[in-house]
Amino acid sequence: AQRVTQPEKLLSVFKGAPVELKCNYSYSGSPELFWYVQYSRQRLQLLLRHISRESIKGFTADLNKGETSFHLKKPFAQEEDSAMYYCALKPLGNQGGKLIFGQGTELSVKP
Amino acid sequence: DGGITQSPKYLFRKEGQNVTLSCEQNLNHDAMYWYRQDPGQGLRLIYYSQIVNDFQKGDIAEGYSVSREKKESFPLTVTSAQKNPTAFYLCASSPPGLEVAQYFGPGTRLTVL
Repeated sequence: AQRVTQPEKLLSVFKGAPVELKCNYSYSGSPELFWYVQYSRQRLQLLLRHISRESIKGFTADLNKGETSFHLKKPFAQEEDSAMYYCALKPLGNQGGKLIFGQGTELSVKP
Repeated sequence: DGGITQSPKYLFRKEGQNVTLSCEQNLNHDAMYWYRQDPGQGLRLIYYSQIVNDFQKGDIAEGYSVSREKKESFPLTVTSAQKNPTAFYLCASSPPGLEVAQYFGPGTRLTVL
């Protein structure tokens, strides 16, 4: 079954500490993976996608096909990183934007 | 602010009534989407539309209907056939070539009384 799992409902770190939000997926193929973010009182927005191999706001995510993971990482967390983060999978060849979302992880960065 | 508006912000409905949620965008995006979000769960796709006058069912389309008569508008009707309609509904759009939702609206919270 196609599934995205974010094992941590809440992740709390101190400012300046490294942060890693975990995302594991179940899919028999080569999916496309995404991270979405929702800051307090703001809308959900696309943060990054694995095929872009880019760093957005200091965050990076590497697709590990062997471990079927797509963890989101940042070496030094900032208070403004506090938000809800969702990992999502797009099945290969899917047309029309179908995404399978994880349950979300709330990141809290304390001063 | 993203260019996608949803109305109303809160909506209450009696059992057995149909209700329509509005979604408008001024981003000139072809693709639009409707998602449902329940507590403790991720988003689930209800319907999507890649072009005017065309739309496709998502994972949980039963009990919902949509129309796409204009590029900027993609209203969602929650019918009385939807067994558990109380939820948070999000509309989204994306530019050509992306194929996944990029910009989201603020959402509508529907409560069935």
